[in-house]
Amino acid sequence: KQEVTQIPAALSVPEGENLVLNCSFTDSAIYNLQWFRQDPGKGLTSLLLIQSSQREQTSGRLNASLDKSSGRSTLYIAASQPGDSATYLCAVTSAGGTSYGKLTFGQGTILTVHP
Amino acid sequence: GAGVSQSPSNKVTEKGKDVELRCDPISGHTALYWYRQSLGQGLEFLIYFQGNSAPDKSGLPSDRFSAERTGGSVSTLTIQRTQQEDSAVYLCASSPLTGGYEQYFGPGTRLTVT
Repeated sequence: KQEVTQIPAALSVPEGENLVLNCSFTDSAIYNLQWFRQDPGKGLTSLLLIQSSQREQTSGRLNASLDKSSGRSTLYIAASQPGDSATYLCAVTSAGGTSYGKLTFGQGTILTVHP
Repeated sequence: GAGVSQSPSNKVTEKGKDVELRCDPISGHTALYWYRQSLGQGLEFLIYFQGNSAPDKSGLPSDRFSAERTGGSVSTLTIQRTQQEDSAVYLCASSPLTGGYEQYFGPGTRLTVT
C-alpha cells in the first residue's frame, strides 16, 4: 500500500527566505507526483506535476524535483512571500494494480511566511 | 473554461438523514474521482469513475456510501443514515483519462452531521 509522508508538518519563515518542503513515498511504481496548495476553507490548487520519467519541473518561484528510485520529492520555494502561506500537499498517482490513477496524499506542510 | 463544480458548498444535516453531494466535472473529462478530507484522516480516496462505470470503489468507508455517474458527466455521492464521523469536506476531481493525467479539483462540499 502506498504511503506518502511530508516533512516538516509545519514551517514558519520570514519573508524573503528560500525554503524546501519534503515528500517521500514508499512505492516507486508511480505515474507522476503532484504538488498542491490549499488555502484555509478552499479546494486544492495544482502547483506542479512531475511525470515519473522527469526529474524536475519549474513554475515561477517554484521548483519541484523527483527522485523516483529513492521515493523522494522536494518543493523549493524561492524568495517566499506572505501570500505563499498555505498548506502544501504532495500526492502520487500509483501505477500498479487497479489503482487507475488515484492519488495518495501526504498529510501536508502548513507554511506561514511572516512579513 | 469552466472548472469542476460541486454543490452544495456547505451541508448541515442531522444524524440519520440521507444526503446527496453533486459533482460536475470539466466537460469532456472521462475520469472522475471522489476524495474525502477529514481532520483525523487527511485526504483519502473514495471512488473513481471511468465513463459511467466505477472500477474502483475500494475507498468507500461503508455500505452507507454509494455513488453513480450518468451520461459520462455529473456524479452524485450519496451517504445514507449519516453519522457524525461522516463530517468532512468531500472533494471531486476530474481528468481527461485515467492513469497519469493531471486531476483538477472542485472547491468541495463541507458536510457537517449534527
